[in-house]
Amino acid sequence: QKEVEQNSGPLSVPEGAIASLNCTYSDRVSQSFFWYRQYSGKSPELIMSIYSNGDKEDGRFTAQLNKASQYVSLLIRDSQPSDSATYLCAVNPDAGNNRKLIWGLGTSLAVNP
Amino acid sequence: KAGVTQTPRYLIKTRGQQVTLSCSPISGHRSVSWYQQTPGQGLQFLFEYFSETQRNKGNFPGRFSGRQFSNSRSEMNVSTLELGDSALYLCASSPGFEGSPLHFGNGTRLTVT
Repeated sequence: QKEVEQNSGPLSVPEGAIASLNCTYSDRVSQSFFWYRQYSGKSPELIMSIYSNGDKEDGRFTAQLNKASQYVSLLIRDSQPSDSATYLCAVNPDAGNNRKLIWGLGTSLAVNP
Repeated sequence: KAGVTQTPRYLIKTRGQQVTLSCSPISGHRSVSWYQQTPGQGLQFLFEYFSETQRNKGNFPGRFSGRQFSNSRSEMNVSTLELGDSALYLCASSPGFEGSPLHFGNGTRLTVT
């Protein structure tokens, strides 16, 4: 059974701090990794995608991938109350064109003013 | 560019009935995926359609079916509804090539009574 694990939280950080969200996956051959943000009552929206080992930065967000450790993380710098949401990690466990992603249950983040 | 459009937003049905959900993808996207989201199970993959063909299927019973039209619009049908089918049904479109991320619609909230 291919799995994606996330700490459910809630993760609580003060405004302006760095929030660190973690995700592990079971399938070693996984190729594509995604972070989505989901506000309560809304649909998931894409934050970052990462495909190669190392860091990828986009504004206040940095995704980190370590395929040897089967670990992907998301750092949010200068956290804002508007970042309070559930963060979902998704993994494509297969090479190729299929869009059958495996999802973690999400980490709830609360940024306190 | 218009996003992914799902209709209807809300549905209330009784056990045994059937339901059809509709999804219009982002213009130019040929892949449409359907997911079921529940609090306990998270996002579960139902199926993906690409160029009118089902390219991948999740582990749902045959009561769940779908199709895609030549304009890439997709429909999902659930027959003989059960109480456990109550969930948020999300449609996501993508260009369909390897590694391309999913872009979600606002979802259809289905309640089965």
